[in-house]
Amino acid sequence: KQEVTQIPAALSVPEGENLVLNCSFTDSAIYNLQWFRQDPGKGLTSLLLIQSSQREQTSGRLNASLDKSSGRSTLYIAASQPGDSATYLCAVWDGGSQGNLIFGKGTKLSVKP
Amino acid sequence: NAGVTQTPKFQVLKTGQSMTLQCAQDMNHNSMYWYRQDPGMGLRLIYYSASEGTTDKGEVPNGYNVSRLNKREFSLRLESAAPSQTSVYFCASSEAFRRRGETQYFGPGTRLLVL
Repeated sequence: KQEVTQIPAALSVPEGENLVLNCSFTDSAIYNLQWFRQDPGKGLTSLLLIQSSQREQTSGRLNASLDKSSGRSTLYIAASQPGDSATYLCAVWDGGSQGNLIFGKGTKLSVKP
Repeated sequence: NAGVTQTPKFQVLKTGQSMTLQCAQDMNHNSMYWYRQDPGMGLRLIYYSASEGTTDKGEVPNGYNVSRLNKREFSLRLESAAPSQTSVYFCASSEAFRRRGETQYFGPGTRLLVL
């Protein structure tokens, strides 16, 4: 059964710092991996989707990488801002699991001004 | 274009009461999903509807029923609420089902407290 782990569970950094969030998954036979952002009391917003044939995706200050063979993904946030404060969720689709997403528990990020 | 909407935003129930959570999407998506999110756990799939007219169980379906009313609407019903069903419920939709490169769009959630 696919399991997704995110480390650390929480992270606090000063504004302007570059940071990395980690995601690992147990079964490397995935079709895609997604990073979501969740603001308190809100739903999830998709940030980046990496297909299995891709190594990375970039959107603005965000860069996500995927290493299928080692079962790992990282989300790199450059020049962090207080507005980046949120919980970041990693999810994978491996074609099983009724064809749906398997989520990690998330990393809660706090960026201090 | 409101995306995915959910009602109510918050609900308090007593054990044994029933209620229906409503979800609607205006993106003409074929597939819809219900998840629950509990503290310290990732989102878990309750039920999904790959297309209008079909529904299937997800990881944690016990205690719930669903109805895909039409292409836009997908409801989740708790027939006899239990304290273990206290959670935040998210509805999501996607254009297609099991298609690579497909993302899901989430509603704002319904916070349910069962006493």
